[in-house]
Amino acid sequence: DADVTQTPRNRITKTGKRIMLECSQTKGHDRMYWYRQDPGLGLRLIYYSFDVKDINKGEISDGYSVSRQAQAKFSLSLESAIPNQTALYFCATSDFRAGGYEQYFGPGTRLTVT
Amino acid sequence: TQLLEQSPQFLSIQEGENLTVYCNSSSVFSSLQWYRQEPGEGPVLLVTVVTGGEVKKLKRLTFQFGDARKDSSLHITAAQPGDTGLYLCADDNYGQNFVFGPGTRLSVLP
Repeated sequence: DADVTQTPRNRITKTGKRIMLECSQTKGHDRMYWYRQDPGLGLRLIYYSFDVKDINKGEISDGYSVSRQAQAKFSLSLESAIPNQTALYFCATSDFRAGGYEQYFGPGTRLTVT
Repeated sequence: TQLLEQSPQFLSIQEGENLTVYCNSSSVFSSLQWYRQEPGEGPVLLVTVVTGGEVKKLKRLTFQFGDARKDSSLHITAAQPGDTGLYLCADDNYGQNFVFGPGTRLSVLP
Protein backbone atom coordinates (compact mmCIF):
# COMPACT_ATOMS: atom_id res chain seq x y z
CA ASP A 1 0.00 0.00 0.00
CA ALA A 2 1.12 3.56 -0.73
CA ASP A 3 2.62 5.50 2.19
CA VAL A 4 0.90 8.77 1.22
CA THR A 5 -2.58 8.56 -0.27
CA GLN A 6 -4.83 11.26 -1.68
CA THR A 7 -8.54 11.25 -2.40
CA PRO A 8 -10.08 11.88 -4.81
CA ARG A 9 -7.57 11.37 -7.63
CA ASN A 10 -9.65 13.40 -10.06
CA ARG A 11 -12.37 15.95 -9.41
CA ILE A 12 -14.41 18.23 -11.63
CA THR A 13 -16.41 20.93 -9.86
CA LYS A 14 -18.19 24.14 -10.67
CA THR A 15 -17.30 27.69 -9.76
CA GLY A 16 -18.47 28.61 -6.27
CA LYS A 17 -18.62 25.07 -4.91
CA ARG A 18 -16.83 24.04 -1.73
CA ILE A 19 -14.61 21.02 -2.06
CA MET A 20 -12.21 19.09 0.15
CA LEU A 21 -9.13 17.15 -0.83
CA GLU A 22 -7.93 14.57 1.66
CA CYS A 23 -4.50 13.21 2.46
CA SER A 24 -3.50 10.30 4.67
CA GLN A 25 -0.07 8.93 5.49
CA THR A 26 1.27 5.80 7.16
CA LYS A 27 4.89 6.97 7.37
CA GLY A 28 4.53 8.30 10.90
CA HIS A 29 5.91 11.72 9.94
CA ASP A 30 4.87 14.82 11.86
CA ARG A 31 5.35 17.26 8.98
CA MET A 32 2.80 17.47 6.16
CA TYR A 33 2.42 19.82 3.19
CA TRP A 34 0.00 20.80 0.44
CA TYR A 35 1.27 21.99 -2.96
CA ARG A 36 -0.26 22.89 -6.26
CA GLN A 37 1.49 22.34 -9.57
CA ASP A 38 0.83 24.33 -12.70
CA PRO A 39 2.63 23.90 -16.03
CA GLY A 40 5.83 25.94 -16.09
CA LEU A 41 5.46 27.11 -12.48
CA GLY A 42 6.72 24.08 -10.62
CA LEU A 43 5.43 23.19 -7.16
CA ARG A 44 4.09 26.01 -5.01
CA LEU A 45 3.44 25.58 -1.32
CA ILE A 46 -0.11 26.26 -0.09
CA TYR A 47 0.03 25.24 3.60
CA TYR A 48 2.25 23.17 5.84
CA SER A 49 1.87 21.63 9.28
CA PHE A 50 4.51 20.48 11.74
CA ASP A 51 2.01 18.82 14.06
CA VAL A 52 -1.71 18.83 14.83
CA LYS A 53 -1.53 22.23 16.53
CA ASP A 54 0.98 23.90 14.21
CA ILE A 55 -0.31 25.05 10.81
CA ASN A 56 1.41 27.61 8.62
CA LYS A 57 0.58 29.49 5.45
CA GLY A 58 2.70 28.91 2.41
CA GLU A 59 3.38 31.00 -0.64
CA ILE A 60 -0.17 30.87 -2.08
CA SER A 61 -2.66 30.26 0.76
CA ASP A 62 -5.35 32.75 -0.33
CA GLY A 63 -8.57 30.93 -1.25
CA TYR A 64 -7.55 27.76 0.60
CA SER A 65 -7.88 26.42 4.14
CA VAL A 66 -6.58 23.28 5.83
CA SER A 67 -7.35 21.01 8.74
CA ARG A 68 -4.96 18.64 10.49
CA GLN A 69 -7.31 16.11 12.01
CA ALA A 70 -4.59 13.79 13.29
CA GLN A 71 -0.91 13.14 12.75
CA ALA A 72 -1.81 11.00 9.77
CA LYS A 73 -4.47 13.21 8.15
CA PHE A 74 -4.22 16.63 6.52
CA SER A 75 -7.06 17.97 4.37
CA LEU A 76 -7.21 20.93 2.01
CA SER A 77 -10.42 22.88 1.35
CA LEU A 78 -11.40 25.31 -1.34
CA GLU A 79 -14.22 27.32 0.21
CA SER A 80 -15.51 28.72 -3.07
CA ALA A 81 -13.71 27.22 -6.05
CA ILE A 82 -12.71 29.42 -8.98
CA PRO A 83 -11.38 28.40 -12.41
CA ASN A 84 -7.80 29.55 -11.74
CA GLN A 85 -7.63 26.95 -8.98
CA THR A 86 -7.62 24.30 -11.69
CA ALA A 87 -4.34 22.48 -11.11
CA LEU A 88 -2.65 19.32 -9.89
CA TYR A 89 -2.56 19.17 -6.08
CA PHE A 90 -0.03 17.18 -4.10
CA CYS A 91 0.20 16.26 -0.46
CA ALA A 92 3.61 15.42 1.02
CA THR A 93 5.24 14.44 4.28
CA SER A 94 8.80 15.10 5.34
CA ASP A 95 11.39 13.59 7.63
CA PHE A 96 14.96 14.45 8.56
CA ARG A 97 17.46 12.11 6.90
CA ALA A 98 20.97 12.21 5.46
CA GLY A 99 21.61 15.72 6.76
CA GLY A 100 18.45 17.30 5.38
CA TYR A 101 14.68 17.11 5.31
CA GLU A 102 13.31 14.89 2.55
CA GLN A 103 9.81 14.87 1.15
CA TYR A 104 7.52 12.01 0.19
CA PHE A 105 4.66 12.81 -2.13
CA GLY A 106 1.23 11.37 -2.71
CA PRO A 107 0.00 10.54 -6.22
CA GLY A 108 -1.82 13.86 -6.65
CA THR A 109 -5.36 15.09 -7.24
CA ARG A 110 -6.24 16.60 -10.60
CA LEU A 111 -8.81 19.33 -9.94
CA THR A 112 -10.78 21.06 -12.67
CA VAL A 113 -13.01 24.03 -11.85
CA THR A 114 -15.47 24.93 -14.61
CA THR B 1 12.94 35.19 -1.11
CA GLN B 2 15.00 32.33 -2.48
CA LEU B 3 14.67 31.65 -6.19
CA LEU B 4 15.74 28.42 -7.86
CA GLU B 5 16.48 28.29 -11.56
CA GLN B 6 16.83 25.13 -13.60
CA SER B 7 18.25 24.71 -17.06
CA PRO B 8 17.53 23.70 -19.65
CA GLN B 9 13.76 23.93 -19.37
CA PHE B 10 13.27 21.16 -21.95
CA LEU B 11 15.64 18.49 -23.24
CA SER B 12 14.99 15.84 -25.86
CA ILE B 13 17.71 13.31 -26.59
CA GLN B 14 18.23 9.87 -28.11
CA GLU B 15 18.68 6.76 -26.04
CA GLY B 16 22.32 6.21 -25.16
CA GLU B 17 23.31 9.88 -25.07
CA ASN B 18 24.70 11.65 -22.02
CA LEU B 19 23.18 14.79 -20.56
CA THR B 20 23.57 17.30 -17.74
CA VAL B 21 20.92 19.50 -16.14
CA TYR B 22 21.54 22.33 -13.74
CA CYS B 23 20.04 23.97 -10.69
CA ASN B 24 21.07 27.39 -9.40
CA SER B 25 19.94 29.25 -6.30
CA SER B 26 19.85 32.94 -5.47
CA SER B 27 21.10 32.03 -1.97
CA VAL B 28 23.02 29.26 -0.24
CA PHE B 29 21.14 25.98 0.02
CA SER B 30 20.23 24.56 3.40
CA SER B 31 20.28 21.15 1.78
CA LEU B 32 19.45 20.29 -1.80
CA GLN B 33 17.24 17.49 -3.05
CA TRP B 34 16.71 16.21 -6.57
CA TYR B 35 13.37 14.63 -7.46
CA ARG B 36 12.03 12.95 -10.59
CA GLN B 37 8.36 13.17 -11.50
CA GLU B 38 6.72 10.96 -14.09
CA PRO B 39 3.48 11.99 -15.81
CA GLY B 40 0.45 11.57 -13.57
CA GLU B 41 2.49 10.80 -10.47
CA GLY B 42 4.01 12.63 -7.53
CA PRO B 43 7.71 13.55 -7.39
CA VAL B 44 10.04 10.85 -6.09
CA LEU B 45 13.20 11.70 -4.19
CA LEU B 46 16.45 10.78 -5.94
CA VAL B 47 19.11 12.21 -3.63
CA THR B 48 19.94 14.71 -0.91
CA VAL B 49 23.25 16.63 -0.91
CA VAL B 50 24.40 18.75 1.98
CA THR B 51 28.17 19.42 1.83
CA GLY B 52 29.79 21.78 -0.68
CA GLY B 53 31.70 19.86 -3.34
CA GLU B 54 29.83 16.65 -2.56
CA VAL B 55 29.35 14.12 -5.36
CA LYS B 56 26.82 11.29 -5.16
CA LYS B 57 26.15 8.53 -7.62
CA LEU B 58 22.94 6.59 -8.14
CA LYS B 59 23.51 4.00 -10.87
CA ARG B 60 23.84 6.08 -14.08
CA LEU B 61 23.03 9.37 -12.33
CA THR B 62 25.77 11.58 -10.86
CA PHE B 63 24.84 14.51 -8.63
CA GLN B 64 27.32 17.28 -7.87
CA PHE B 65 26.91 20.06 -5.34
CA GLY B 66 28.89 23.27 -5.93
CA ASP B 67 31.62 24.30 -3.52
CA ALA B 68 29.71 27.44 -2.59
CA ARG B 69 26.49 25.42 -2.10
CA LYS B 70 24.53 27.62 -4.51
CA ASP B 71 24.41 25.32 -7.52
CA SER B 72 24.13 21.68 -8.47
CA SER B 73 24.23 19.48 -11.53
CA LEU B 74 22.70 16.15 -12.43
CA HIS B 75 24.50 14.12 -15.06
CA ILE B 76 22.92 11.06 -16.68
CA THR B 77 25.12 8.60 -18.54
CA ALA B 78 23.70 6.55 -21.40
CA ALA B 79 20.15 7.81 -20.98
CA GLN B 80 17.29 5.34 -21.30
CA PRO B 81 13.59 5.92 -22.08
CA GLY B 82 12.86 5.14 -18.43
CA ASP B 83 14.74 8.31 -17.47
CA THR B 84 12.02 10.39 -19.10
CA GLY B 85 10.35 12.77 -16.67
CA LEU B 86 10.43 16.12 -14.94
CA TYR B 87 13.55 16.67 -12.83
CA LEU B 88 13.06 19.03 -9.92
CA CYS B 89 15.58 20.48 -7.51
CA ALA B 90 14.53 21.76 -4.10
CA ASP B 91 15.89 23.39 -0.94
CA ASP B 92 14.58 22.09 2.35
CA ASN B 93 14.98 25.58 3.85
CA TYR B 94 16.04 24.09 7.18
CA GLY B 95 12.86 22.02 7.32
CA GLN B 96 10.52 24.99 7.07
CA ASN B 97 8.87 25.72 3.72
CA PHE B 98 10.50 23.78 0.90
CA VAL B 99 11.35 25.74 -2.24
CA PHE B 100 11.24 24.03 -5.64
CA GLY B 101 12.70 24.96 -8.98
CA PRO B 102 10.50 24.95 -12.09
CA GLY B 103 12.06 21.73 -13.36
CA THR B 104 13.74 20.32 -16.45
CA ARG B 105 11.51 18.20 -18.63
CA LEU B 106 13.55 15.35 -20.14
CA SER B 107 12.43 13.16 -22.99
CA VAL B 108 14.58 10.19 -23.99
CA LEU B 109 13.61 8.78 -27.35
CA PRO B 110 14.19 5.08 -28.15
